[in-house]
Amino acid sequence: GENVEQHPSTLSVQEGDSAVIKCTYSDSASNYFPWYKQELGKRPQLIIDIRSNVGEKKDQRIAVTLNKTAKHFSLHITETQPEDSAVYFCAASRAGNQFYFGTGTSLTVIP
Amino acid sequence: NAGVTQTPKFQVLKTGQSMTLQCAQDMNHNSMYWYRQDPGMGLRLIYYSASEGTTDKGEVPNGYNVSRLNKREFSLRLESAAPSQTSVYFCASSEYAGNYGYTFGSGTRLTVV
Repeated sequence: GENVEQHPSTLSVQEGDSAVIKCTYSDSASNYFPWYKQELGKRPQLIIDIRSNVGEKKDQRIAVTLNKTAKHFSLHITETQPEDSAVYFCAASRAGNQFYFGTGTSLTVIP
Repeated sequence: NAGVTQTPKFQVLKTGQSMTLQCAQDMNHNSMYWYRQDPGMGLRLIYYSASEGTTDKGEVPNGYNVSRLNKREFSLRLESAAPSQTSVYFCASSEYAGNYGYTFGSGTRLTVV
């Protein structure tokens, strides 16, 4: 099966700085890569996703990049704000299959 | 449009008791999932149903059973609760399995004493 590794497990940044979270996957057939944000005590919520036919996708302050050759993808958050503090999960999957989640990154934005 | 609704939100069980966690979605999604989340363990898949009439085991199925009652509803049953099943349980749904994002329910916090 697929194996998704996520780094770092914790990340602290100053408000206004950028944050980068990286994930690697093992199954070259995986073709869908979503990112979820989970605030304390809340449900995970989809914030951005990317499919394997695209190398980069942006949505305001967040972006995701995908390198299929190296089998890794990254979440980039620019101009971080305190409300970005949360746990972020990456995942990988392919059609008809379950998601394989990373173990999460706890991001703290220091005002 | 409620999305994914889970009941109950909180539950305390005694060891050996049974209970069913209910999940319903109103988005006409084909696929539904049950996850558990323990501190430091991330999200672990218990069972999923890729489409109505099918169910498959995930990473941690022991001690659980599921029923896909219809397209909208997917229940999770603990037949004989154990303290190791103390966790937060999330139901999720997606349009199809694999290539579509999940919508999660608000979770059930279960404590087994």
